Amino acid sequence: AQSVSQHNHHVILSEAASLELGCNYSYGGTVNLFWYVQYPGQHLQLLLKYFSGDPLVKGIKGFEAEFIKSKFSFNLRKPSVQWSDTAEYFCAVTPNRDDKIIFGKGTRLHILP
Amino acid sequence: DARVTQTPRHKVTEMGQEVTMRCQPILGHNTVFWYRQTMMQGLELLAYFRNRAPLDDSGMPKDRFSAEMPDATLATLKIQPSEPRDSAVYFCASGLPPGQGINMGDTQYFGPGTRLTVL
Repeated sequence: AQSVSQHNHHVILSEAASLELGCNYSYGGTVNLFWYVQYPGQHLQLLLKYFSGDPLVKGIKGFEAEFIKSKFSFNLRKPSVQWSDTAEYFCAVTPNRDDKIIFGKGTRLHILP
Repeated sequence: DARVTQTPRHKVTEMGQEVTMRCQPILGHNTVFWYRQTMMQGLELLAYFRNRAPLDDSGMPKDRFSAEMPDATLATLKIQPSEPRDSAVYFCASGLPPGQGINMGDTQYFGPGTRLTVL
């Protein structure tokens, strides 16, 4: 079955630390990849997405993600986090011709001021 | 600024009561999704529609849940009778099918959610 794995369930960092959140998927065909963010008490918002082209995708708020096809991975990175990045981050995958998005379980990120 | 709207934002009800949640997708979007989010299970897809027709509702308990799209601007999710284990945040999302819109496999846009508490 198709699945999305986020390795870290809970990450705690200090401000200015670098961030990398792991995401792996099991689908073998062509995929579209997303990272969504959910700030406390809010709905999910798109952070960035990859459909094709440059595997290094830049999103909002200084986030980026790199698609490594050989590793079935789409890790999220930010060089220097801020307290306002405290949120839950969801990796998601959809096959190119499928409507459904398969979400990972999410990673709760807590930034210490 | 187009966005998905959901009503009510909060609902507290007693076990056994009927609950109806409503969603207005972004104008022009023809796929609509219902998700449930809990601490234990995370984000679960309950059902989704394309052009108002249900394509997949396998994630939904059929005995008590029902989802419909009476028209292109309204999606509803009903629970009858409600149970305490239904307490969760229910999100609606809308989008365009792969191949339409600016990009292939277009983004889903989420509403603010309905926080349901069943006592």
